[in-house]
Amino acid sequence: GAVVSQHPSRVICKSGTSVKIECRSLDFQATTMFWYRQFPKQSLMLMATSNEGSKATYEQGVEKDKFLINHASLTLSTLTVTSAHPEDSSFYICSASRGAEYNEQFFGPGTRLTVL
Amino acid sequence: DAKTTQPPSMDCAEGRAANLPCNHSTISGNEYVYWYRQIHSQGPQYIIHGLKNNETNEMASLIITEDRKSSTLILPHATLRDTAVYYCIVFSGSARQLTFGSGTQLTVLP
Repeated sequence: GAVVSQHPSRVICKSGTSVKIECRSLDFQATTMFWYRQFPKQSLMLMATSNEGSKATYEQGVEKDKFLINHASLTLSTLTVTSAHPEDSSFYICSASRGAEYNEQFFGPGTRLTVL
Repeated sequence: DAKTTQPPSMDCAEGRAANLPCNHSTISGNEYVYWYRQIHSQGPQYIIHGLKNNETNEMASLIITEDRKSSTLILPHATLRDTAVYYCIVFSGSARQLTFGSGTQLTVLP
């Protein structure tokens, strides 16, 4: 149980285009989903926290207009990288939490974004 | 969140126990110690967590000192597939955010 999927696993896009990454909790309802970014040989950095049906909370330094997060249902959150540039190339990872009494976060397999 | 300190890297022989230390000297009373690991180019995997008592599950054991200022993750019989970066995280349930440090790169050697 507690499986989180991400789609796509890899994406290559041209500079200036937008890319959407999906994060799904397959066998549980995720009240909260988190989006992380990881650059090579670095640790995960939290980008934003989203609760179903409400606006995401972004970490300091993360542009909310560039990284659009939608958490429309208890099993799906999406991250859209708008007007992507080469410096946005990174490994994007989502995680999901089941609820207040469950502290574990279950992570997706990650999405490798390469912007040319 | 309280910060943690972990050695950057460790080696372990296959079949032996891997003991990964973590210092969290500023941990507060309501903060848990969580361990995750990340195999190269994959999402992190939950291993174990604890508050005060030692914990054991099918993957590992977690030993927390009485003063809670440090802990050790034990993989009893390390395999090559245990090669990964291991993250020790102090987590407050009210904050509901995981702050990843730099972790320990564990390399299991044949």
